[in-house]
Formats: sequence, C-alpha cells, structure tokens
Amino acid sequence: DAKTTQPPSMDCAEGRAANLPCNHSTISGNEYVYWYRQIHSQGPQYIIHGLKNNETNEMASLIITEDRKSSTLILPHATLRDTAVYYCIVRVGNNFNKFYFGSGTKLNVKP
Amino acid sequence: GAVVSQHPSWVICKSGTSVKIECRSLDFQATTMFWYRQFPKQSLMLMATSNEGSKATYEQGVEKDKFLINHASLTLSTLTVTSAHPEDSSFYICSAPPGTGGTEAFFGQGTRLTVV
Repeated sequence: DAKTTQPPSMDCAEGRAANLPCNHSTISGNEYVYWYRQIHSQGPQYIIHGLKNNETNEMASLIITEDRKSSTLILPHATLRDTAVYYCIVRVGNNFNKFYFGSGTKLNVKP
Repeated sequence: GAVVSQHPSWVICKSGTSVKIECRSLDFQATTMFWYRQFPKQSLMLMATSNEGSKATYEQGVEKDKFLINHASLTLSTLTVTSAHPEDSSFYICSAPPGTGGTEAFFGQGTRLTVV
C-alpha cells in the first residue's frame, strides 16, 4: 500500500469548512483513498473513500487531484464534535484487505 | 453501517494473568477480522488477521504465543493476551469488512486493557 503524508495538526473555527490534505504521491492505479477518523478513546469511524472521482456523502466530501497524488477531505461545516484524529489511508480496494494507519491529522475545532 | 462490537470496553488485570477480548459482528458475517493495538498518543498498529476456520496470521514482530487469536464463528473473534505484563497495557481494537461488496472496514469501540 502506498504511503501517505498528513500534517500532524490543524485548527478550524466552528461552522467553517475544514479542509484536511493528504499526500499520496506513490499511489498506484488500483489503490483507493480512504478516510477514517478517531475520536478520543473510540474505534475509528469510516468517513468516505474514492478511487479517482470526487465523492460526497452525508459526512464529507473527498476531492482527489487529477494525477491522484493528493486528496483533500472536506467537512463543510465543522462542529466541536468533529474534533478528532483523521487518517488518510491508501490501499487496494478489494474485500478483506487490511488497513495500515499512518500518524493522521489532529483536527481541533474551536468555538 | 455494519456494527462491530467489542467486549469488554475496559479491563484491569493483574500481571501474569490472561485476558480475553471478544469482537463480534452484529449484523453481518465476517470470515476475516483484524486486531489492532494503540498506545497513548500513537496511531493504530495492525497486530494480526483473524481467519474463520484457519489460523490467524500475525504481523512482523507480534508474538503469536502471547496474543492468541481464535475465530470461532462467522460472527466472533477473540484475542487473548496471555501472561499479561504492564507493557501490554494498551487500547485494543478489532475491525471487520462487511462482506457485502463494500470495501470499507468497520471498527469496534475498542477495549482498554490495564495490567497492574
């Protein structure tokens, strides 16, 4: 699985959009980009994933660059409850494959 | 989404004893489950892959005799920390793919193990 690079921490004002970047310059053609988040002392929560097209669901949007070497997770209106560590993971998208977590980005949403 | 449940949520045990942690898929069957360990302020580290009906496979550096994994059924995997020591104190998390064609994995709420 390709390696990802994320900033260790970011701040965001409550109600504003949170844009979390992820670099995955060695991604290969069959690897998906997944985003999970972990609120303190809980298991990781799935947010979204994509291959090459931008994706949106009720939680977030995922923007993947055309060359697929980087992506951005967007939380459109951050709330205090979105404070968490966000993990960007790249892996082949077939069933039952394991996830290897990097260090993630600690998002601090401030009032 | 699919639900994965762990039990117990937290446990305190004495050094030298063994502790069993259960991981259940509540609304789907899982032929494969994964076990992770997380130390404070660190990321999740994959320990092993639990396979229903066959032996677990362990990541490099993980002692298979210390961390016994049993995948007894399509909805239950257990992790037993044998002869626990204080350095085994950690947050243990399991996950399972839903097996319905989706590719994301769902995680349990984690088990906080404290060895005293």
